[in-house]
Amino acid sequence: SQQGEEDPQALSIQEGENATMNCSYKTSINNLQWYRQNSGRGLVHLILIRSNEREKHSGRLRVTLDTSKKSSSLLITASRAADTASYFCATDRAGANNLFFGTGTRLTVIP
Amino acid sequence: EAGVTQFPSHSVIEKGQTVTLRCDPISGHDNLYWYRRVMGKEIKFLLHFVKESKQDESGMPNNRFLAERTGGTYSTLKVQPAELEDSGVYFCASSPGNSNQPQHFGDGTRLSIL
Repeated sequence: SQQGEEDPQALSIQEGENATMNCSYKTSINNLQWYRQNSGRGLVHLILIRSNEREKHSGRLRVTLDTSKKSSSLLITASRAADTASYFCATDRAGANNLFFGTGTRLTVIP
Repeated sequence: EAGVTQFPSHSVIEKGQTVTLRCDPISGHDNLYWYRRVMGKEIKFLLHFVKESKQDESGMPNNRFLAERTGGTYSTLKVQPAELEDSGVYFCASSPGNSNQPQHFGDGTRLSIL
């Protein structure tokens, strides 16, 4: 891929469990963002973490960034059936505004 | 505020025909981006406008694709003539002028070339 790889490609959990998705990238970045996509819809921005940040929280979401390993993780706590979607990480390189996406993780939360 | 809107939501055309996709960004957003997702592949950048100027068009596949943003408001992406490999979902996104801001995406146009 251009930049990011998500792991796992697919994840199935029970409602109430936590879901962890990982992302690795290849080049130096300004920011890393996580997006969610429900089937047939556009990408919804979840959280942005800057290259000088290590962890960020937003509601039930927790994102970590390790620039030395060029990796990030997205943790969704106390998952709900409505969290079922595809999740993508996206990075932007220094000096460019366009985003580079991975192939995404398909999360299924079973009620 | 209204989000990014794209039209049409679906388009089915025959190989060799022309199709024009439209994107209306969030009002006041100077940055407008086009991306494409081909079946089974990752979402890939096509080009970036800052107001009416093309800032980066390094992702445009070939000269059959033409993007415009006259007046710095809405944008169009024309494919002429369409080929089978152009099938996919075309996303538009916009963001404010300052950096470190998230991009807001439309629902995309699903383009099918027969």
